[in-house]
Amino acid sequence: NAGVMQNPRHLVRRRGQEARLRCSPMKGHSHVYWYRQLPEEGLKFMVYLQKENIIDESGMPKERFSAEFPKEGPSILRIQQVVRGDSAAYFCASSPGGGLDGELFFGEGSRLTVL
Amino acid sequence: GQQLNQSPQSMFIQEGEDVSMNCTSSSIFNTWLWYKQDPGEGPVLLIALYKAGELTSNGRLTAQFGITRKDSFLNISASIPSDVGIYFCAGQLGNAGNMLTFGGGTRLMVKP
Repeated sequence: NAGVMQNPRHLVRRRGQEARLRCSPMKGHSHVYWYRQLPEEGLKFMVYLQKENIIDESGMPKERFSAEFPKEGPSILRIQQVVRGDSAAYFCASSPGGGLDGELFFGEGSRLTVL
Repeated sequence: GQQLNQSPQSMFIQEGEDVSMNCTSSSIFNTWLWYKQDPGEGPVLLIALYKAGELTSNGRLTAQFGITRKDSFLNISASIPSDVGIYFCAGQLGNAGNMLTFGGGTRLMVKP
């Protein structure tokens, strides 16, 4: 049973470049969440998606950040024109439904470093 | 927005000691969860609490959901070296999906 798979695990970008982070949820899970973790801090919610739909993007910066979860393929978090402040660990989590059991399964994260 | 205040921020204890950490919120949550994060890894769920006043154990871990639904604590008994890591509390409203609000974490260090 594969867990939540994220890639790349580590990504280095120069200021102004684009970063694309991918997340494949656990098998059978149709709900995906992206969180960002700055060094020495807790995780901050960014966006919640179901297949082909963005349900809640209240935690996403208004500019440069976008997310999608297409019908086929992984969910993608895209950061355009990266700046040094985007350096962080980005975690994806999935759940089987949008229910209230709190059971989110997290991936191992993608660590973005912006030079 | 909602905020969770977690304390202490860090603890350095001797192996075999008991540990206690807590989380408070200015607003109500319907579910409280405790996660552990090892270096370079994602958070792993330890305990989930669904009812106010609920006390739940998982091995050496015990957690309680406060009666007011604004706080929770986690106890670890007889700590061992592999307990080292960062412990996060998280609250969930449950009114729209499973979005979690995380505390700032408690970094636990255990001296053998």
